[in-house]
Amino acid sequence: GAGVSQSPSNKVTEKGKDVELRCDPISGHTALYWYRQSLGQGLEFLIYFQGNSAPDKSGLPSDRFSAERTGGSVSTLTIQRTQQEDSAVYLCASSSGPTDTQYFGPGTRLTVL
Amino acid sequence: QKEVEQDPGPLSVPEGAIVSLNCTYSNSAFQYFMWYRQYSRKGPELLMYTYSSGNKEDGRFTAQVDKSSKYISLFIRDSQPSDSATYLCAMTSGGYNKLIFGAGTRLAVHP
Repeated sequence: GAGVSQSPSNKVTEKGKDVELRCDPISGHTALYWYRQSLGQGLEFLIYFQGNSAPDKSGLPSDRFSAERTGGSVSTLTIQRTQQEDSAVYLCASSSGPTDTQYFGPGTRLTVL
Repeated sequence: QKEVEQDPGPLSVPEGAIVSLNCTYSNSAFQYFMWYRQYSRKGPELLMYTYSSGNKEDGRFTAQVDKSSKYISLFIRDSQPSDSATYLCAMTSGGYNKLIFGAGTRLAVHP
C-alpha cells in the first residue's frame, strides 16, 4: 500500500517568506508526527497529533511554527517569516497508534536563502 | 549535554566486516530502543526495536541494550555495500512514541 507522502520534495524560499509543507499519512493511521533534521543532526521532534486530541506542540522551536491536521488525515506544517536557521529536512511520520511503529515519509528539504 | 549521544562517523569498512554502532543516553526513563536506517534523500526506516535490556537478533543484525550503563549497540555481521547508509538510534520512555534520536552514524561498506 501507499506509504507516507510529503510535498513538495524540495522548497527554496527567501528569508521572511512563509512556507507550507504537506504530509499525507498512511490511510487509517491515527498518529502523525513532524520532525526536523538539520545537517549533521539527528531528528528533532516538533509536534504530535493523535486522533481528535489536542496536539503535543512541545517541540515547536518558536511561535513562527504551527501545524494543523484536518479531518484526522492530511497535515500541514507552516513556517512564518522563515529564517536561514530554518533550513533543514522536515520529516513526517505516521503510526497506527500512539505506541506503534512510525513510518516516515521522504521529507521536504527546505532551503532559506 | 544531549540526551542521546552518537558518533556521527563516517565509518568505512570493507565488505564482510562486522560493524558495531553505538549510542549512549542520559535519561534513565527510556525503556524502548530503536535503530533506524536512512538512505540518502530518504526517510528513516525501522530496523530493530528492543524493549528494556537484552539482545535481539534479526538476520545479520543484533541489537543490544545495557540499561545499567545507558548504552545501546547495533551489530551488523557480514556487512554488504547495500548496508551503506546512516544509522540512527532512537529511544522513548513510553506513553507515546515521542522519539529522541541520536545524530546518526554514516556507514560506508566498500566492496
